[in-house]
Parts: sequence; structure tokens; C-alpha cells
Amino acid sequence: QLQLVESGGGLVKPGGSLRLSCTASGFSFRDYYMSWIRQAPGKGLEWVGHISSSGTIDSLADSMQGRVTISRDNAKNSLFLQMNNLRAEDTAIYYCARNWNFGFDSWGQGTLVIVSS
Amino acid sequence: QSALTQPPSASGSPGQSVTISCTGTGRDIGGYNFVSWYQQLPDKAPKLLVYEVIKRPSEVPDRFSGSKSGNTASLTVSGLQAEDEGDYYCSSYGGSNNWVFGGGTKLTVL
Repeated sequence: QLQLVESGGGLVKPGGSLRLSCTASGFSFRDYYMSWIRQAPGKGLEWVGHISSSGTIDSLADSMQGRVTISRDNAKNSLFLQMNNLRAEDTAIYYCARNWNFGFDSWGQGTLVIVSS
Repeated sequence: QSALTQPPSASGSPGQSVTISCTGTGRDIGGYNFVSWYQQLPDKAPKLLVYEVIKRPSEVPDRFSGSKSGNTASLTVSGLQAEDEGDYYCSSYGGSNNWVFGGGTKLTVL
């Protein structure tokens, strides 16, 4: 059964850093592009960025450039999101999702990041 | 990339049909046939309903259908059921390895 499980969220001070993880199971992780998508409390979805199946190519939303890095470890079926210089507006649930046919066909349950002093 | 425009709310009675619109530009919806729709039930992760404008994953009922005309995509939910109540989001490929989402539409079953 296909499953994506995020972890690493929590409370962090403005200007701080956080590394989120997503562990995949039930499918051939190395064959798929993967994305991070976030949702601020009571707000809509926002695409953060994605990484190619091999990990050699990534793409980030303009609002994330310079503060976020996406990486993966195919040997461990894991996806990562490194976030630096966090701001209050980065407070959100962060989902990892599998790219499929230019959409996102499987999502994790999300991990909550709260940026507050 | 600016967010796609969706109406904040929509409603219908059980058994009726409701259509949710999603308006973008020629750089996203109008430029590609890569529109997808998602259902998010309360406190749940989003679920893919439609991809590539009109296609449905095998497990999605055919009550959900997608379409597109110019820069506007639409999701129609036919035979509304109480369990359809939730938030619906559109998304489009925006070129240059970027994706954009709509602001979401809250569907109420009266």
C-alpha cells in the first residue's frame, strides 16, 4: 500500500531552520518526481517545489528561492525539505506528494511547522 | 506565478450538479492541458480527483468530471452527496517546472 509519512515539523523561532523528512513506501520511490506542497492555517494549497527522480534536478516556487533546498535519498526512500531563515508566513502544514501525470496523485498526512517567537 | 482564481464557495442540494470554475492565464491553464483537481475533506490531506483536464484516477467516481475552455477550467460534481462536502482545489502546470494552485472552493451540500 502506497504511503507517504512526513516528519520533522515543530515550533521554530523566526530566522531559524528546520529540516522536514518524508518517508515513502509501497511504490518504487526512485522512479518518481516528488514535490513539497504547503497549506497555511485556514488557507489554500501552495506548491513549494519538486525534485527529479534521480535528485539531479529541482525546481522551487519563486517565493522559496534562496531559503529552501529539496533533496532525496533513493536508497532510503526519503525526501527532504531544508528550510532556512524561516518567517511567520512560513507557518503551515507541509505535505509531500508524488508527481504523476503533471498532477499529484498521493499525499502524506502533512507535518505542521509553526514559526513564532 | 499568481494563484488561479476560484469562487470561495459553492453549494447544491443532494442529487443536484454543481460546477466549480478555475481561471488562470495563457501561461498556465490556457497554455497546457495539465489541469488537476483535488478534494480536501476536513482535517484530511488532499485527494486527486481529475488530472490532465478530463482524466480520472480509476478509484474516483464518474460523478466528478473536468473540462477546460481557454484560460478557465471547471470541475462538475454530479449527483451531489453529503460526503462531497469539503474544499476543492484546482492546479495547473505553469511552465518552467512550476505549478500553481487555486485558492480553493468550499462546497456545501444543503
